[in-house]
Amino acid sequence: QLQLQESGPGLVKPSETLSLTCTVSGGSISRSSYYWGWIRQPPGKGLEWIGSIYFTGSTYYNPSLKSRVTISVDTSKNQFSLKLSSVTAADTAVYYCARHSGLGPNNAFDIWGQGTMVTVSS
Amino acid sequence: DIQMSQSPSTLSASVGDRVTITCRASQTISSWLAWYQQKPGKAPKLLIYKASSLESGVPSRFSGSGSGTEFTLTISSLQPDDFATYFCQQYNSPGTFGPGTKVEFK
Repeated sequence: QLQLQESGPGLVKPSETLSLTCTVSGGSISRSSYYWGWIRQPPGKGLEWIGSIYFTGSTYYNPSLKSRVTISVDTSKNQFSLKLSSVTAADTAVYYCARHSGLGPNNAFDIWGQGTMVTVSS
Repeated sequence: DIQMSQSPSTLSASVGDRVTITCRASQTISSWLAWYQQKPGKAPKLLIYKASSLESGVPSRFSGSGSGTEFTLTISSLQPDDFATYFCQQYNSPGTFGPGTKVEFK
């Protein structure tokens, strides 16, 4: 069955760029009509949608993060990636990748990765 | 931006109880609402989408209702596995989650 797995550094210095990759297995990113997204959750807090991408490269971003976020896709590796620039301690969170459940980004997230903790600290 | 609120923030209940959680949107979102269950250290799990549609594999004791700005998640008979935190999410434009409701042992 479809599985998602996040990977990337667990520690990022303030003002630097956070980079994470989500590897999709059990199915092809480019042979489906789904959007793929990133969501984060600061320790002990709620969930925040960061942005989503289609295999063509079409993206939608949370307006509150848009100036610092870039999401890209590599169909040859069946991966999509997140870059968040100029990070601060407020960006410390568990970062999840997930699949939107239907056509288009205006859908719930039905399959999630296990999440990866990223700490911003010098 | 559409803001989401949930009530209560914490709910104390016992096995077998009927539990209801409310989610409100700051503006109408039609039926574009999902409910998730999250346990400590785990990713959220989709329970309900489009306000009242049960995700495949989710027990029928979970149900959702509502439209517009007010929605509810009901667990008809709380089971030991149901003690968790529940989040609503609007996906009308773009995607905003509620702050969560923790269901704990009474």
